[in-house]
Amino acid sequence: AQTVTQSQPEMSVQEAETVTLSCTYDTSESDYYLFWYKQPPSRQMILVIRQEAYKQQNATENRFSVNFQKAAKSFSLKISDSQLGDAAMYFCAYRSPKAAGNKLTFGGGTRVLVKP
Amino acid sequence: DTEVTQTPKHLVMGMTNKKSLKCEQHMGHRAMYWYKQKAKKPPELMFVYSYEKLSINESVPSRFSPECPNSSLLNLHLHALQPEDSALYLCASSLKLASGTGELFFGEGSRLTVL
Repeated sequence: AQTVTQSQPEMSVQEAETVTLSCTYDTSESDYYLFWYKQPPSRQMILVIRQEAYKQQNATENRFSVNFQKAAKSFSLKISDSQLGDAAMYFCAYRSPKAAGNKLTFGGGTRVLVKP
Repeated sequence: DTEVTQTPKHLVMGMTNKKSLKCEQHMGHRAMYWYKQKAKKPPELMFVYSYEKLSINESVPSRFSPECPNSSLLNLHLHALQPEDSALYLCASSLKLASGTGELFFGEGSRLTVL
């Protein structure tokens, strides 16, 4: 079974600075999908960025980018120019194309605090 | 419209009560999901519906009863719950199962407290 590990329970960053969240996963599959979801205090889970494993190019969405290292099974998220609205819980997630019901395997989450 | 709407946002119920959570989406998605999330934990999948049919039941106790009356609506009926069932219940939808990345769109959740 796949597992996803987020080793940082909490990260703090100064406004306008950069923070990197780590995520590692364990799988024997070669084809899969990886996601970063953000859950602010409003509770709604919002997709931040996604990566298909067959794509070598790292995904980027505005201030959010990933460093996807397939051989190392690592999928870190970099938040550049941090803003107060980035304060949230961030979950890394894995999905196998074979997963019944589009089931996501989530990491334990990393809380990001943004200091003004 | 890219919203998944959940009602109520907050619900307090006794262990003998019967209540329901409601989820609605108008994105034309044909897969809908219920997740349970305890404090400071990731969401856990409960049920998956595909084309209004139950596709996945993650061994959820029968005191939780899902229903999908049409392609836009998903309900979760609650009966004889226990205090440990207190949690945030998240609804999500996706275009359909096994389609591309299978991106999920989540609602804001219903915070349930069982007394």
